[in-house]
Amino acid sequence: GAGVSQSPRYKVAKRGQDVALRCDPISGHVSLFWYQQALGQGPEFLTYFQNEAQLDKSGLPSDRFFAERPEGSVSTLKIQRTQQEDSAVYLCASSLGGLAGVRGPVTQYFGPGTRLTVL
Amino acid sequence: AQSVTQPDIHITVSEGASLELRCNYSYGATPYLFWYVQSPGQGLQLLLKYFSGDTLVQGIKGFEAEFKRSQSSFNLRKPSVHWSDAAEYFCAVVTNAGNNRKLIWGLGTSLAVNP
Repeated sequence: GAGVSQSPRYKVAKRGQDVALRCDPISGHVSLFWYQQALGQGPEFLTYFQNEAQLDKSGLPSDRFFAERPEGSVSTLKIQRTQQEDSAVYLCASSLGGLAGVRGPVTQYFGPGTRLTVL
Repeated sequence: AQSVTQPDIHITVSEGASLELRCNYSYGATPYLFWYVQSPGQGLQLLLKYFSGDTLVQGIKGFEAEFKRSQSSFNLRKPSVHWSDAAEYFCAVVTNAGNNRKLIWGLGTSLAVNP
């Protein structure tokens, strides 16, 4: 079956441009997560949706970052006025539930990521 | 605050040799622990996870990990490495922040396999 897909796979932006990154989660997955992975680093949590509700956005680095999931499926991460430090791979993951349920941890399924380069 | 440490940034092994990747965590209660693998151009794939019960966990691709509470460790092992195992490996722990749990990740260990 189809996994998590992300588009575009690569994006080059000039500093100051706005970008929009798309995530298509696995059908039926309630939870959706966005992560930022800088070169040589582990992923860093950005934000979490349960259906259309954004339950946690504590990881968004600035108010230039905005995420939405209006119908509880596809999500878009938007970065306004991009800066060079925004260059990273942006990962999307989905799961049936949150990170942990009564039976223990819930598996997240990751997309291939979008590599953003800001010049 | 919870944290995950992967002491080895880069490891090189010969094909057929055994492998152990180290992971140490800082967490007050029993953690939920994960190992993920990231191959070039691929998404992160779950290898295995632990939350309770048997401290030796079996995963996919012949990997296993052992949870040792006394050492706050969750090391990943494989008895015989294949060339296709060359990838980046990440250990992660779920924070216990009420309803808003997060995955906290280590910096990763890059594995190279010599023929």
